[in-house]
Amino acid sequence: EAQVTQNPRYLITVTGKKLTVTCSQNMNHEYMSWYRQDPGLGLRQIYYSMNVEVTDKGDVPEGYKVSRKEKRNFPLILESPSPNQTSLYFCASKLAPYNEQFFGPGTRLTVL
Amino acid sequence: RKEVEQDPGPFNVPEGATVAFNCTYSNSASQSFFWYRQDCRKEPKLLMSVYSSGNEDGRFTAQLNRASQYISLLIRDSKLSDSATYLCAGLKNNNAGNMLTFGGGTRLMVKP
Repeated sequence: EAQVTQNPRYLITVTGKKLTVTCSQNMNHEYMSWYRQDPGLGLRQIYYSMNVEVTDKGDVPEGYKVSRKEKRNFPLILESPSPNQTSLYFCASKLAPYNEQFFGPGTRLTVL
Repeated sequence: RKEVEQDPGPFNVPEGATVAFNCTYSNSASQSFFWYRQDCRKEPKLLMSVYSSGNEDGRFTAQLNRASQYISLLIRDSKLSDSATYLCAGLKNNNAGNMLTFGGGTRLMVKP
């Protein structure tokens, strides 16, 4: 089944404890993105990647890192999480810029 | 001003009603537009792309007005299952062509 997967789906952590949210897609898509969704602010792009080893900042990259060492995986790294990073995170992928974008099921992160 | 704006609603309509949502965008360089549907606590899923000539898919019609910089979604004969949040998104024509910018979403509640 063609899909985007994320892990973990739910995570409660404490300020300053490094964490990684994994994202994987099995559709051989070139483009991958991370978004966060917050009430009243909608979906905002954190980082995106156009291909292996090619990444760029989105609208809200502060406090996040990404890597794209292989096409299928695009992990999101929070080196030192803070409470303002409590949010619902979505990974997404698509074949090309104008193609349909597929989202993962979301990761609900709480930073205490 | 946000690049893509929507009335958050909620729109409460009875079954069988026709309802329309508008979405305005401020970046005239946006090349393509989309409507996504998001159910509560789930990932967004593509509902339809929006073409300049307008397009229809069953009970759903999408329109793009570049002169006034808005896109619209019309839902005819509303069903209970149409209850969801509808997100409009615009694709910027930047260096990567990958920046999909979302509105905050419009919540629709269809009542029996």
